[in-house]
Amino acid sequence: NAGVTQTPKFRVLKTGQSMTLLCAQDMNHEYMYWYRQDPGMGLRLIHYSVGEGTTAKGEVPDGYNVSRLKKQNFLLGLESAAPSQTSVYFCAATGTASYEQYFGPGTRLTVT
Amino acid sequence: GQQLNQSPQSMFIQEGEDVSMNCTSSSIFNTWLWYKQDPGEGPVLLIALYKAGELTSNGRLTAQFGITRKDSFLNISASIPSDVGIYFCAGRATGNQFYFGTGTSLTVIP
Repeated sequence: NAGVTQTPKFRVLKTGQSMTLLCAQDMNHEYMYWYRQDPGMGLRLIHYSVGEGTTAKGEVPDGYNVSRLKKQNFLLGLESAAPSQTSVYFCAATGTASYEQYFGPGTRLTVT
Repeated sequence: GQQLNQSPQSMFIQEGEDVSMNCTSSSIFNTWLWYKQDPGEGPVLLIALYKAGELTSNGRLTAQFGITRKDSFLNISASIPSDVGIYFCAGRATGNQFYFGTGTSLTVIP
C-alpha cells in the first residue's frame, strides 16, 4: 500500500517548455488535490477534483491544467513553463468518510 | 485564498521540554488536521479532529479542536531530537477545500 505517489521527483525545465506531473493513489479516495509550496507561503491549492472526470480551480490555477481520467490518477500540466512556477508541487488525496488528507512526497520543479 | 494564522513561526527548545503551537481562523471549520513535514518530504498527517472541544492524542502529541471552531492547538510533550521539523495545521469548512497555516518550525536542542 503505497498511499500517494508522484513522478517525477525532480525536474528542470527551460522557460516555455511543457511537462506533466503524475499523481497516483491506491486508497480509492474520491478527492484529489494539487498544491504548490513556496518558502513563507505555506501550501496553496492549484486545482482539485472531487471525482473521476471532474476538476475545479483552486487559489492559484493560472498557468496549470489538470485531468482526472481515472479515479486513481490526477495529472498536472504546465503548457508553457515560467520561472514563477519554480516550486515544490504536492499531490494529496482525501476520502469522504474521514476527510483525512494524505500527501505524496512532492516534485521539485525548477524553471530556468 | 484563506490562510490560517499559525504561531509561533519558529521555536527553539531543549530536549525534554514541552511544546505548544496553535492555529486561528476567521472562519468556522468542521475539520482540523495537523501535519509534520521533514525537509525534502511531503507533509505527514499526525492528528485529525472533527468536533468542537475534541481532544485527541497520538503518542506524545495531543491536539484540540477549539470550542469556537475557529482555532486548534497542538502540544508535544517531552520533546526529542526527531521532533524537529515544520508543523502545519489545516482546516476544512463545509466544502472540499482545505486551508493551511504557514507552519511552525521546531528545533530541538539536545
